[in-house]
Amino acid sequence: SAVISQKPSRDICQRGTSLTIQCQVDSQVTMMFWYRQQPGQSLTLIATANQGSEATYESGFVIDKFPISRPNLTFSTLTVSNMSPEDSSIYLCSVTGTGAKNIQYFGAGTRLSVL
Amino acid sequence: QKEVEQNSGPLSVPEGAIASLNCTYSDRGSQSFFWYRQYSGKSPELIMSIYSNGDKEDGRFTAQLNKASQYVSLLIRDSQPSDSATYLCAVAPNAGNNRKLIWGLGTSLAVNP
Repeated sequence: SAVISQKPSRDICQRGTSLTIQCQVDSQVTMMFWYRQQPGQSLTLIATANQGSEATYESGFVIDKFPISRPNLTFSTLTVSNMSPEDSSIYLCSVTGTGAKNIQYFGAGTRLSVL
Repeated sequence: QKEVEQNSGPLSVPEGAIASLNCTYSDRGSQSFFWYRQYSGKSPELIMSIYSNGDKEDGRFTAQLNKASQYVSLLIRDSQPSDSATYLCAVAPNAGNNRKLIWGLGTSLAVNP
């Protein structure tokens, strides 16, 4: 499986500011995904990060709030913009390899608290 | 709406017992099925993947898939306190290239010494 580095691991931010989360993989991967997981809840897919094109967002998530970049096959960023306390959550990056038959591997996550 | 359902638990079993976790899914065309384990404060890690009907064993873990009945289960033999975690069932709803997974809400397992 790929080695996935996600940073920061945690942050405390003020309302109205933005935070960019980075996801770096040690090998080229086919798909990269961004999830949100609120305390005690399951995973909610925010978007699929597409290499060289705009991300594909799930219902309820918009580019203005969660802009995503994926400049190459090993790196992606998720920005949480104009944060409010409701954005406090764990944000997870996951990847799927070329022959992985849909298996997703996760980064360690970013624990975000918004005051 | 494609769905994956799990009992939220908590499921409590004594150490050494068999823990049985169940998952049902709504999309009959689903192709791939996964069990992930998530410890508190950690990210999900893959335990088992299964793609065809029947049983698949890996150490103390056995995944069982029944596509006709649209369920997939995970058995943990000789349960250990270290198995205490939330177990997430995930299903790939089709053979397409988007590779998205549909996630259950997870079952919390507590193994009591």
